Amino acid sequence: QVQLMESGGGVVQPGRSLRLSCAASGFTFSSYTMHWVRQAPGKGLEWVAYISYDGTKKDFADSVKGRFTISRDNSKDTVSLQMDSLRAEDAAVYYCARDRDYNSGSFFFDYWGQGTLVTVSS
Amino acid sequence: DIQMTQSPSSVSASVGDRVTITCRASQGLGGWLAWYQQKPGEAPKLLIHAASTLQSGVPSRFSGSRSGTDYTLTISSLQPEDFATYYCQQANSFPWTFGQGTKVELQ
Repeated sequence: QVQLMESGGGVVQPGRSLRLSCAASGFTFSSYTMHWVRQAPGKGLEWVAYISYDGTKKDFADSVKGRFTISRDNSKDTVSLQMDSLRAEDAAVYYCARDRDYNSGSFFFDYWGQGTLVTVSS
Repeated sequence: DIQMTQSPSSVSASVGDRVTITCRASQGLGGWLAWYQQKPGEAPKLLIHAASTLQSGVPSRFSGSRSGTDYTLTISSLQPEDFATYYCQQANSFPWTFGQGTKVELQ
C-alpha cells in the first residue's frame, strides 16, 4: 500500500535551516509529482511546493519562494524540502503528499504522510 | 491568487443529519476542485476530486456538486466517523489554495 513517511522536523532558531525528507513506498515513485503542504498549529492547510515526477518542474508558494528548495531522488524514492532562513511563521506540521495523477499531475493530493512538526523559536 | 471561501466555518449536527458545506471561488475553476476530510491529529484525506468524482474507497454518502463558482460537499446521512474538519482546494490556477475549513461538530 502507498506510504509516505516524513522526517527531519524539530526545533530551529529563526534564520537557521532545516531539511525535511519524505520516504515513499508502495507505488512507482518516479511516475508521480510530489508536494509539500503545511499546517500551522490550529490553522488551515497551505500548499508549499511541488516537484514534477522527473524533477524538471518545481514551484513554490510566494511565502517560501527564494528560501525553500525542493528536490527528489527517484533512485531512493525520496523527496526533500530544504528550508533556509526560517521564520516564526514557518512553524507548522509539514506534510508530504502525492499528486493523484501520474506523470502530468492533477494537483489534487491523494496520499499524505503523517506529517513532521517544525517549530521555529529562539 | 484564487480565494476559496468556505461556509459555514462550523456546523453542529446529529448522526443521520444531512450536512452541506459550500466553497465559493473568487474566479472560475472549471471544476478543478477537491474536498478533504481531516480528523484531529491526522493527515487530510481526499474525498472528492474534479468537483464530483468520489475518490476510491470513500463512502457514497459523500457527494460533490458545482454551480458556477460555488461548490458543495454533501454528506447525506452523517455518521459518527464523519465528525471532522473539511477543506476545499482548487487546482485550476497556481498557487493551489485551500478554503479555511468547516468543522462538523456533534450537536
